[in-house]
Parts: sequence; structure tokens; C-alpha cells
Amino acid sequence: EVQLLESGGGLVQPGGSLRLSCAASGFTFSNYVMSWVRQAPGKGLEWVSAISASAGGGSTYYADSVKGRFIISRDNSKNTLYLQMNSLRAEDTAVYYCARKGSVRADDYWGQGTLVTVSS
Amino acid sequence: DIQLTQSPSFLSASVGDRVTITCRASQGISSYLAWYQQKPGKAPKLLIYAASTLQSGVPSTFSGSGSGTEFTLTISSLQPEDFATYYCQQVNSYPITFGPGTKVDIK
Repeated sequence: EVQLLESGGGLVQPGGSLRLSCAASGFTFSNYVMSWVRQAPGKGLEWVSAISASAGGGSTYYADSVKGRFIISRDNSKNTLYLQMNSLRAEDTAVYYCARKGSVRADDYWGQGTLVTVSS
Repeated sequence: DIQLTQSPSFLSASVGDRVTITCRASQGISSYLAWYQQKPGKAPKLLIYAASTLQSGVPSTFSGSGSGTEFTLTISSLQPEDFATYYCQQVNSYPITFGPGTKVDIK
């Protein structure tokens, strides 16, 4: 059974940093592109970042809203996806989901999400 | 960046109704479009990928069509468990984008 389990969310002050993790199981993690998607309270879905399947995360992609502040990475030996979030702003407050990119690039499996709250 | 619009943003329907949601892209995306269902407090669930391919385990009451810039999600007979918010997503190119969502509520 495919499972994605996010962790690392919490309350952080503006300007602070946080690292999210997503532990994957039930599939060959190193074969799949992985993504982060977020959802601010009461709002729609916003794609955040994606990383290619290769070891060392050959290619990375970011939404303009997080470019230069967030870094996506993966450790295929640990079956884990990461999102390092720096210079956090109030508008980064959201539930952050990790997702597996499956058939024809759609996100076929999602974690349960982890809440990040940026507030003083 | 490719922008997606959805219409309507909200619809009120009854069990058994046929429901159609439209998603339009600001430029052609071939068939690189997915549809998701999301219920309150839950992660999104993939319904349709490649514009018209039903994800495994999704009821056949759901169908998708379209290519290029205009796409539709149809629920042929609305069931109680289908009341939710639906999002389209273009996966043609980065940055990936989502539509603003369509909330389907009980009439």
C-alpha cells in the first residue's frame, strides 16, 4: 500500500525556517517525481515545488511565490522527500501536502498534510 | 504561466443530477489535465488524468473530456458522497497550476 506521511509542521515566527519531511512507503520511491502542494486556510490548492526522480534530485521546480526561499530535496536511500522553508511569511501559512506524480504527471497519491503556521 | 479558470465556482445540485464542471486553460495544454476531488479536512483525491482517463477505483459516474484549452468533468448521477470541491490541474509545463475550484453543494 502506498503511503506518504508528512511531518515537521508547526508554528514559526515570520522570517524563520522550517523543514518538512515526507516519508514514503509501499512503492519504489526513487522511480517517481515528487511534489509539494499547499492549501492556505479556506483557500484552494497551490502547487509549490517538484523534484525529479534521480538520486540527488537532478531537476527541481518552484512556484514563483517560493523561489529563492524554499528548497526541495530527496534522499532516495531513506525514501524521504524534504522541503526546507526559509524566510517564512504569514502568507506561507497553509497545510502542506506531499504527493507522488504518477501516470501522465498527475498526482496519484497524497499524504495527509502537515500544518505550517507563520505568526508572531 | 498557464492560468486555469473553472466554472461555475459553486453549484447546488440534488442526488441523481447530472453535473458538468468546465476548466479552461489560458493556452493549449494538449491533454495534460487532471481532476481532483477534495472533501473538508482531507487530502485531494485524483479522479481523472490525461483529461479523460479514469483513475483506478473511481466510480464510472465520473468522466472527463476535452483537449487543448477546454475541458469538462461530468458526474452522470450525483451521489451523496460526491458533494465536495473539485479542482482541475494542468501538468503540461512548470509551474504546475490548479484551477480555483468548484464547490458542489446539496440543494
